[in-house]
Amino acid sequence: GAGVSQSPSNKVTEKGKDVELRCDPISGHTALYWYRQSLGQGLEFLIYFQGNSAPDKSGLPSDRFSAERTGGSVSTLTIQRTQQEDSAVYLCASSLVRQGGSEAFFGQGTRLTVV
Amino acid sequence: QQQVKQSPQSLIVQKGGISIINCAYENTAFDYFPWYQQFPGKGPALLIAIRPDVSEKKEGRFTISFNKSAKQFSLHIMDSQPGDSATYFCAAGAQKLVFGQGTRLTINP
Repeated sequence: GAGVSQSPSNKVTEKGKDVELRCDPISGHTALYWYRQSLGQGLEFLIYFQGNSAPDKSGLPSDRFSAERTGGSVSTLTIQRTQQEDSAVYLCASSLVRQGGSEAFFGQGTRLTVV
Repeated sequence: QQQVKQSPQSLIVQKGGISIINCAYENTAFDYFPWYQQFPGKGPALLIAIRPDVSEKKEGRFTISFNKSAKQFSLHIMDSQPGDSATYFCAAGAQKLVFGQGTRLTINP
């Protein structure tokens, strides 16, 4: 596809259930980011994947959150035992990695509501 | 060293005025400084970016000013229009981008 694709676009789940959010990055992009954005707030960094390097998980808020990236392409963010405070928009972005930096392209996000 | 501090958190400007948003970084290894614009319900999109070998970059009504010695950069929006009302994020990095917390800009007609 032409851009970063995220699915589902909206997800409503009951408290305590597990959810999986999917991100399809732009083909050829080796870097992939996950961010969380609460209503009207800034971007909260969650995790960063770059090629075959170990991911930077420093932003994951608790051990209920995990993410993987299979084959250097598609990524899945999993939230176990969801809580109401997990309600937010989860944004994925991808970029090329090169000297001098490069643009990160964002998906439209997945709006997660925990009821 | 990985933080990017953005101010103000919110800004209200009259139509036709100049909007100014500021960012400061700590890591001198950062060499790419983009600004992103986000409309409600959308993901952030690149607006304009600068590299540290220049002190200013202008694209239409949008200008980035960059002060390498102060480790600061700013976005100026000239002749601000209601359609510019959005949330703006600065970012900085070498490979991995670090984002500021965002500025909600409102342009009053």
